[in-house]
Amino acid sequence: GENVEQHPSTLSVQEGDSAVIKCTYSDSASNYFPWYKQELGKRPQLIIDIRSNVGEKKDQRIAVTLNKTAKHFSLHITETQPEDSAVYFCAANLMNAGGTSYGKLTFGQGTILTVHP
Amino acid sequence: SQTIHQWPATLVQPVGSPLSLECTVEGTSNPNLYWYRQAAGRGLQLLFYSIGIDQISSEVPQNLSASRPQDRQFILSSKKLLLSDSGFYLCAWTPRRDNEQFFGPGTRLTVL
Repeated sequence: GENVEQHPSTLSVQEGDSAVIKCTYSDSASNYFPWYKQELGKRPQLIIDIRSNVGEKKDQRIAVTLNKTAKHFSLHITETQPEDSAVYFCAANLMNAGGTSYGKLTFGQGTILTVHP
Repeated sequence: SQTIHQWPATLVQPVGSPLSLECTVEGTSNPNLYWYRQAAGRGLQLLFYSIGIDQISSEVPQNLSASRPQDRQFILSSKKLLLSDSGFYLCAWTPRRDNEQFFGPGTRLTVL
């Protein structure tokens, strides 16, 4: 099955700095990679996702890059703000033996991002 | 628009008692449905998924079971809770595979 490793487990930055979170995955068949943000006690919410047919995707201050050969993908947040403080999870779709996923996701262990004003 | 509900929001149960958590989705039909458990400070572990009524697949062996008696209703159950069943249980849905999963508000379960 799929294994997703996420680093770092905690990240502390000053407001205005950039933050980078990295994930590696094990199953080369995975082709969908979402990133979720979870505030304390709340539900996870999608912030950006990328499919294996592109190498980079950007949405305002957030970008994700994907290296299929190396099987890793990264989240980049620029000009961080205190409201970016949360736990961030990467995920990869989990493929069945027959090459389908039914939308199943394997999540990384999360990164606690703290942005200091 | 689509919404997803979970109840109860919090639950405290003694070891050995039964469990029933409910999840319902509104505003869509034939969604894929998922149950996750999140231990404190950890990632999300997929427990069950369903692609249709009465079609349930288990991802990990455990003390829990799931059922989908209606298209937009997903239930997580246990006959006898263990201490290790404590956690934050999240239901999620997606309109089709490999698209954004939308999570419910979650149920925080404490087994004493």
